[in-house]
Amino acid sequence: EAEVAQSPRYKITEKSQAVAFWCDPISGHATLYWYRQILGQGPELLVQFQDESVVDDSQLPKDRFSAERLKGVDSTLKIQPAELGDSAMYLCASSLAVGLGTQYFGPGTRLTVL
Amino acid sequence: DQQVKQNSPSLSVQEGRISILNCDYTNSMFDYFLWYKKYPAEGPTFLISISSIKDKNEDGRFTVFLNKSAKHLSLHIVPSQPGDSAVYFCAASARSGNNRKLIWGLGTSLAVNP
Repeated sequence: EAEVAQSPRYKITEKSQAVAFWCDPISGHATLYWYRQILGQGPELLVQFQDESVVDDSQLPKDRFSAERLKGVDSTLKIQPAELGDSAMYLCASSLAVGLGTQYFGPGTRLTVL
Repeated sequence: DQQVKQNSPSLSVQEGRISILNCDYTNSMFDYFLWYKKYPAEGPTFLISISSIKDKNEDGRFTVFLNKSAKHLSLHIVPSQPGDSAVYFCAASARSGNNRKLIWGLGTSLAVNP
């Protein structure tokens, strides 16, 4: 069964350091999403790509967060510098195309900032 | 303001009985609804969805009911099993141009007791 791959699964870093997360969507899925989830809340959309183009990054804190999907396949989300409040689960999801509602999620990266 | 509300933070059910998880929404433009299940330290797993043109969708032990006039949907799990113990998220989407964005509830933690 096709799955969304993410790495690393866990990351511990100190504040002010840089961190990066990687995501490989389900093969053939044109739309890729990065979410942040804090315990007790639903996922919060950070950025959405259609192929290599950003469709929505309105909730991405652009002073410290960046995301790219250079070849329209896998994607990297970076935080520089990390802050204590960035501790959360970072989730990647993909869907077949923009405009289709069902998104499929990877296992997530649990980030702890000390 | 929460557009998707899951008013019960937790639910406890005996194994073999029915679990009913509820979700209310406020935006009448929502036309597609999804339920996801999430285990700790994992990404959400898609369970079942329903389009607003239907009032019921069934998949094995899982059935989702939609009451558009009440802006309410529910997920029924029959019979409940201990492995169903997880956090269940309700999500809704509306078309915005060519795009769709998922709006999430805060989740309901289901405990199925043996």
